[in-house]
Amino acid sequence: QSALTQPASVSGSPGQSITISCTGTSSDVGGYNYVSWYQQHPGKAPKLMIYDVSNRPSGVSNRFSGSKSGNTASLTISGLQAEDEADYYCTSYTSSSTLVFGGGTKLTVL
Amino acid sequence: QVQLQESGPGLVRPSETLSLTCTVSGGSISSYYWSWIRQPPGKGLEWIGFIYYSGSTNYNPSLKSRVTISVDTSKNQFSLKLSSVTAADTAVYYCARLYDAIYFDYWGQGILVTVSS
Repeated sequence: QSALTQPASVSGSPGQSITISCTGTSSDVGGYNYVSWYQQHPGKAPKLMIYDVSNRPSGVSNRFSGSKSGNTASLTISGLQAEDEADYYCTSYTSSSTLVFGGGTKLTVL
Repeated sequence: QVQLQESGPGLVRPSETLSLTCTVSGGSISSYYWSWIRQPPGKGLEWIGFIYYSGSTNYNPSLKSRVTISVDTSKNQFSLKLSSVTAADTAVYYCARLYDAIYFDYWGQGILVTVSS
């Protein structure tokens, strides 16, 4: 299975909105509403931010939102804050009942 | 609050077998899927495989020939064995709960395993 495709880096200024894309195939992202997103700060374990494409776990800010169109899922962060600077990973369930990660995106808050 | 803790050797010799255990506390291992994920230094996350509490498993095709994941419900633990390791297997290894086999909702803190002679 091939890793999902994410941009290596994105950046934005405080208060702005950014979107991170996650592109797969009809066998993973496009075939199921089972995309999740994780935030990882340096030296820390990943943290679940979005599950089932657009659902937020309890305790996650509503500045984080998810969507999907075709084979591409997206994570949008609005009202950027310095604490949002981190690496972000998408994951999808696949037609083989496996999981596949994206390559990760480094978010820089300018 | 569910908590996970990885344990095992931090150094493994090339060609040997890497063995790690994840201990689950604050909840039962039953009725859930459990997974291993790894992250080489400076690189992205890679899913290794999962196990259901009943013992059924599924693995990343790229690692399938070398991976075994097992569960011990009596100890609330699950384990990872990765055989014939090389330097490319050097990574932080995370255990996590895989909710409905779809998303990882609880993670361990991770354990760095270095493959070196």
